[in-house]
Amino acid sequence: DAGVIQSPRHEVTEMGQEVTLRCKPISGHDYLFWYRQTMMRGLELLIYFNNNVPIDDSGMPEDRFSAKMPNASFSTLKIQPSEPRDSAVYFCASSKDRGNEQFFGPGTRLTVL
Amino acid sequence: AQSVAQPEDQVNVAEGNPLTVKCTYSVSGNPYLFWYVQYPNRGLQFLLKYITGDNLVKGSYGFEAEFNKSQTSFHLKKPSALVSDSALYFCAAHYGGFKTIFGAGTRLFVKA
Repeated sequence: DAGVIQSPRHEVTEMGQEVTLRCKPISGHDYLFWYRQTMMRGLELLIYFNNNVPIDDSGMPEDRFSAKMPNASFSTLKIQPSEPRDSAVYFCASSKDRGNEQFFGPGTRLTVL
Repeated sequence: AQSVAQPEDQVNVAEGNPLTVKCTYSVSGNPYLFWYVQYPNRGLQFLLKYITGDNLVKGSYGFEAEFNKSQTSFHLKKPSALVSDSALYFCAAHYGGFKTIFGAGTRLFVKA
């Protein structure tokens, strides 16, 4: 298995633009997670899905952020409109179940100018 | 509030010496506890976990961790450090449905 795949790896955009981050989880994993990592706030859980259904989005910072999982092999995290404070590394991770470890993708480094 | 604390921002150790990276948690119930490692420009990689049973768990690359319920701690250890162990280490707790909280991370420097 290729592991968790994220695209793009790097994204540079201007304030106000829409940004879409993509994730393909490991096949057979029922849980998918989106995280944001910054120097100031560390690693934060934004949202997680179970069997394609959003279970907890309490970590989503504001309405500008949205996430979808239309099928078991694809998820998106969208920021609209983007702001400079959204600059961070965004990770997607997947897991089989609660007792198992999460497998992280390589991350998307987002820079909003 | 639920929290995971890694009291040391950085740990320095000489190659060949034992290392300890500390983690304490304040999480309701009986959380599952994990250690992950992050190398530069990479995602986190799983090292080991504690769910139940023996308080000493062994993981990847010679790492082990000791669970102490009374002290609510889950310290990461390795008997003999390698330069290649230099990385950022995260302690994490899974609780509730599938909520995950990570510590702030501890940067480990192993000097040759």
